[in-house]
Amino acid sequence: KQEVTQIPAALSVPEGENLVLNCSFTDSAIYNLQWFRQDPGKGLTSLLLIQSSQREQTSGRLNASLDKSSGRSTLYIAASQPGDSATYLCAVRVIQGAQKLVFGQGTRLTINP
Amino acid sequence: NAGVMQNPRHLVRRRGQEARLRCSPMKGHSHVYWYRQLPEEGLKFMVYLQKENIIDESGMPKERFSAEFPKEGPSILRIQQVVRGDSAAYFCASSLGTSGYNEQFFGPGTRLTVL
Repeated sequence: KQEVTQIPAALSVPEGENLVLNCSFTDSAIYNLQWFRQDPGKGLTSLLLIQSSQREQTSGRLNASLDKSSGRSTLYIAASQPGDSATYLCAVRVIQGAQKLVFGQGTRLTINP
Repeated sequence: NAGVMQNPRHLVRRRGQEARLRCSPMKGHSHVYWYRQLPEEGLKFMVYLQKENIIDESGMPKERFSAEFPKEGPSILRIQQVVRGDSAAYFCASSLGTSGYNEQFFGPGTRLTVL
């Protein structure tokens, strides 16, 4: 059974810092891994999707890496801003069965001005 | 090209009533997934449907919950005789084809509150 863990559960940093969010998964049989952002009471915003054959994806100040063999992904946020404050969710798409997404519990990020 | 649409966005029901949540996938998408997010928890898979077929309902509670995706119209998630523990955000996602490499696109969610 696939399990996804995100560390830390919460993170508070001053504005301008570079930071790393971690995601680990137990089964390497995945199609892809996706990072989402969720603001309080809102829906999901897809940030980056990394296919299983890829090592990383970049979008603006965001960079996500994937090491499928070790079951790890990191989301790197450069020059953090208060507007980056949100919960960040990691999800893997499993190969078995319904090809569903399995989500981590999220990292709640606060950027202090 | 409209994204995934869900309605209503907010739904309030009293215990024992029925809740009907609707999801219209992106144009051209014939695969729909439902996920539930309980308060302070991550999203959990509920059911995967293709047009007129339930493919995998392994995440659905055994009683009171049902889902359909008819040939015409939106996908419906139906919760009968709601209880307080059903209060959650329900998200729908759609994808283009059967390949797992296809991205799932999410709707804005329906927030169900049971009084």
